[in-house]
Amino acid sequence: GQQVMQIPQYQHVQEGEDFTTYCNSSTTLSNIQWYKQRPGGHPVFLIQLVKSGEVKKQKRLTFQFGEAKKNSSLHITATQTTDVGTYFCAFGRGFKTIFGAGTRLFVKA
Amino acid sequence: EAQVTQNPRYLITVTGKKLTVTCSQNMNHEYMSWYRQDPGLGLRQIYYSMNVEVTDKGDVPEGYKVSRKEKRNFPLILESPSPNQTSLYFCASRLDRSTDTQYFGPGTRLTVL
Repeated sequence: GQQVMQIPQYQHVQEGEDFTTYCNSSTTLSNIQWYKQRPGGHPVFLIQLVKSGEVKKQKRLTFQFGEAKKNSSLHITATQTTDVGTYFCAFGRGFKTIFGAGTRLFVKA
Repeated sequence: EAQVTQNPRYLITVTGKKLTVTCSQNMNHEYMSWYRQDPGLGLRQIYYSMNVEVTDKGDVPEGYKVSRKEKRNFPLILESPSPNQTSLYFCASRLDRSTDTQYFGPGTRLTVL
């Protein structure tokens, strides 16, 4: 069925470096959502994008939805140790929500 | 405080022993879901409910049942648990279909021996 692929699966960065995770679909998506899950915690909703080419920012986080609405990215500028966790993209299909496998971010101080 | 609660948080059980994981939200949300999280697979939706007495299957419903008799509660029932249902389970809710923000409970770690 319809799904999204996230890359990379893992990313190790030095504190202060930038980080980007990508979410790709073979089919057009009506929306894309991003969540963050801290180690041992539960997913926390970050944002939803619905428009082609949409870009939204939340402090050091920049979210982008591709022009064809088949891919999305989350970019973190100057990572901090508080950014550690797993970042998931997801999309809504009718009443369902389909999640990617996530990108786990490790930040070394 | 607006929240989704789940109980129990941890459970170890044996194959075939029926169990129920409770989920409750205090935000008057219409829409509730159950997910399971397994390493490398992200979160997979088990069941969802659009409102009281309205439920439907997600992507991995086999071996699970749900009910929605009241708006605030959405219990997950495993009639005959098996080891492949060992997982981390999350309940989530959102106001309605058109609302973006989905709130997750703290999770229930289930081990079936």
